[in-house]
Amino acid sequence: GESVGLHLPTLSVQEGDNSIINCAYSNSASDYFIWYKQESGKGPQFIIDIRSNMDKRQGQRVTVLLNKTVKHLSLQIAATQPGDSAVYFCAETYNTGFQKLVFGTGTRLLVSP
Amino acid sequence: DTAVSQTPKYLVTQMGNDKSIKCEQNLGHDTMYWYKQDSKKFLKIMFSYNNKELIINETVPNRFSPKSPDKAHLNLHINSLELGDSAVYFCASSQDVYSSPGELFFGEGSRLTVL
Repeated sequence: GESVGLHLPTLSVQEGDNSIINCAYSNSASDYFIWYKQESGKGPQFIIDIRSNMDKRQGQRVTVLLNKTVKHLSLQIAATQPGDSAVYFCAETYNTGFQKLVFGTGTRLLVSP
Repeated sequence: DTAVSQTPKYLVTQMGNDKSIKCEQNLGHDTMYWYKQDSKKFLKIMFSYNNKELIINETVPNRFSPKSPDKAHLNLHINSLELGDSAVYFCASSQDVYSSPGELFFGEGSRLTVL
């Protein structure tokens, strides 16, 4: 069935540390993955995406890793800042004639100064 | 300019009432969505419209009726509100759901509280 889940509901880190948020997905037909950040009182905001033909993609301070063998996705945030505190969602999409985006349950990242 | 705007931001109402949430996007996108986020932050798609045509209806009760007067607007009307309808409703848009996958742009959300 459709299932995108996260291993940790809450992750607490110190400012300056690197953060890793993990996500497991179950649909082997998924071909595109996105990480979203949702700050309190706001809508989800795009962070980074990766297609299934890639293993790694880097952005500014963020890296997404995709392991299709074990259906695992991770988001790495370098030098985490208090402004990174938010709920992070992974989402997967697969083509059913059109693209349908399925969200995971979310991980709350708390960054202490 | 706000890319995806939805109104109202907060809505408190009694069970049994009917209410509407409006959404507009100025990104020129062809596809718009309604998502429901529950108290545990789980985001679930409800509807999607592509160029005013309904393409996704995720077994949402027929008390929920989306309407897209044009591709820049997608409204959500809810009849006979129930306690379980309390949630944050997000409108989103994307360039074109039939083309290569792309990011969704979300509005700020409309928090509905049913008493």
